[in-house]
Amino acid sequence: QVQLVESGGGVVQPGRSLRLSCPASGFTFSTYAMHWVRQAPGKGLEWVAVISYNGGSKNYADSVKGRFTISRDNSKKMLYLQMDSLRAEDTAVYYCARDNYAFDYWGQGTLVTVSS
Amino acid sequence: EVVMTQSPATLSVSPGERATLSCWASQSVSSNLAWYQQKPGQAPRLLISGASSRATGIPARFSGSGSGTEFTLTISSLQSEDFAVYYCQQYNNWPRTFGQGTKLEIK
Repeated sequence: QVQLVESGGGVVQPGRSLRLSCPASGFTFSTYAMHWVRQAPGKGLEWVAVISYNGGSKNYADSVKGRFTISRDNSKKMLYLQMDSLRAEDTAVYYCARDNYAFDYWGQGTLVTVSS
Repeated sequence: EVVMTQSPATLSVSPGERATLSCWASQSVSSNLAWYQQKPGQAPRLLISGASSRATGIPARFSGSGSGTEFTLTISSLQSEDFAVYYCQQYNNWPRTFGQGTKLEIK
């Protein structure tokens, strides 16, 4: 069965960096685009970034452009989100999700808290 | 950016009754519209894609309709496990955007 399991969240000071990981299993990872979506505490869902199946194309929400970098390693079936220059407003649960036009599978999420 | 607007923000319905949730897009998204269900402490779950196609394993009491800018999610006979927050999302344009959610609560 399809499994996505985020890790790497935690408490970090403003301006610092954090890297999230999302290992994938149960499907042919290298044939799907992948997304990161976040949800601030008590708020709705916000799309963050997408990477194409081969990593050749990437797109970002304006709110994270220039600070976050999405990447993938198809040989390891891994999705990453490098988050730099973190701000308090980046505090959220971060989900990885598979692209099948809609987002058909989601991980359980990892909480990132940006606080001094 | 395509703005997705959901109505109502909260819907109170009794078990066994019908629930109708609405979603509007600020511009046409064709049929590239999905609905998700989210329960407290859980990840969203895909219910409907292509505006009207149920995802794998989704019960037939969930149905979606609409195209262009107006969409509806109908739950025909509410079960206890259906009380949750529901989000619509368009995947026709970048950035992908979600509605603010409708909380379906027990009346």
